[in-house]
Amino acid sequence: QKEVEQNSGPLSVPEGAIASLNCTYSDRGSQSFFWYRQYSGKSPELIMFIYSNGDKEDGRFTAQLNKASQYVSLLIRDSQPSDSATYLCASGGGADGLTFGKGTHLIIQP
Amino acid sequence: EPEVTQTPSHQVTQMGQEVILRCVPISNHLYFYWYRQILGQKVEFLVSFYNNEISEKSEIFDDQFSVERPDGSNFTLKIRSTKLEDSAMYFCASNYRGRGTEAFFGQGTRLTVV
Repeated sequence: QKEVEQNSGPLSVPEGAIASLNCTYSDRGSQSFFWYRQYSGKSPELIMFIYSNGDKEDGRFTAQLNKASQYVSLLIRDSQPSDSATYLCASGGGADGLTFGKGTHLIIQP
Repeated sequence: EPEVTQTPSHQVTQMGQEVILRCVPISNHLYFYWYRQILGQKVEFLVSFYNNEISEKSEIFDDQFSVERPDGSNFTLKIRSTKLEDSAMYFCASNYRGRGTEAFFGQGTRLTVV
């Protein structure tokens, strides 16, 4: 059974600080990992994907993957109130579809 | 920017009735998916579709569910004899190459079974 685990939060971060979101996965065969943002009542919106060990940066966002530890993280620099949302970690893709975690609710405090 | 579109945005149906949820994937995408999200719970994979047939389906996707690509653009999810527990957001998604490529989600259909 493939599982993706996230701390549900809420995670409260002051505006301008770095928000750090974490995720672990159970399937050692997973190759692809994704971070989605979901506002309440809306659909998941892709932020980043990462396939290789190490860091991947895109603007204010950095995804980190450690396959040995089966750990994925997302850092959000210079957090803005508009970043307040639920962040979903997912693995997989392809025919099996994505396996999602329950998400971490992030609150950016002005 | 290309996007996945879903209709209707909200559907209310009586228990036991059949519903069809519709999706138009991004035009050059080859893999199509349906996901479900019950209120307050995680997004769950239902089914994937490639080359006009089901590729994979989850345990949730039982005989009550079916999918179809009736023409070159639409992708539908049919739920027969709806139950109260089918109430959820249903998301359609598509991607270009399947494994290792990002999936883009439609805005969802909120299904309420009464």
